[in-house]
Amino acid sequence: DQQVKQNSPSLSVQEGRISILNCDYTNSMFDYFLWYKKYPAEGPTFLISISSIKDKNEDGRFTVFLNKSAKHLSLHIVPSQPGDSAVYFCAASEGGSTLGRLYFGRGTQLTVWP
Amino acid sequence: SAVISQKPSRDICQRGTSLTIQCQVDSQVTMMFWYRQQPGQSLTLIATANQGSEATYESGFVIDKFPISRPNLTFSTLTVSNMSPEDSSIYLCSVAGTGGSMNTEAFFGQGTRLTVV
Repeated sequence: DQQVKQNSPSLSVQEGRISILNCDYTNSMFDYFLWYKKYPAEGPTFLISISSIKDKNEDGRFTVFLNKSAKHLSLHIVPSQPGDSAVYFCAASEGGSTLGRLYFGRGTQLTVWP
Repeated sequence: SAVISQKPSRDICQRGTSLTIQCQVDSQVTMMFWYRQQPGQSLTLIATANQGSEATYESGFVIDKFPISRPNLTFSTLTVSNMSPEDSSIYLCSVAGTGGSMNTEAFFGQGTRLTVV
């Protein structure tokens, strides 16, 4: 059973606008969450993470929000750029301070058009 | 951070044969993992490669089909044995854990795109 879910397989956004990618999880033991970006023919690259003790983490144009009660997190990209077009994976871990195995969603294909 | 070299980057193989994928890291790491991404699916963990001992396999994956070696802290191999078309996937090596950012994020190789015909 999928413990991390990304229910939107694709998202299309105009350049300069906000992109919001959503992720839900079912395992209440998850305490660390990550977002990865993947271009074709490349491995996933780390984007941003958030610990369960926080509800927001920001890094430049990227902000991740965590709602533990709803078991939901989202990635906001503002402003969106064409180079952001990629598949975005949400991942979760129950490793605490030591990163262990990751559970991934199926990914959302983001397309940013000019 | 870690630089991961994964080889081969792609291959087309005949059914019934085996392919060994190599993962080389430029620094010692605590944890090495092997994932599979089938078309349109999420990344699924096959196993955790343990240095000096047998790998830990996830449900649905067995050692006879996916033997793994990890002779030291910088190198691991995954073999896909007796391949069938259902094994056509992207296989990814991932590493984590030696301190600094490696304790808060996992790094991935570029993946091996396997097609079984």
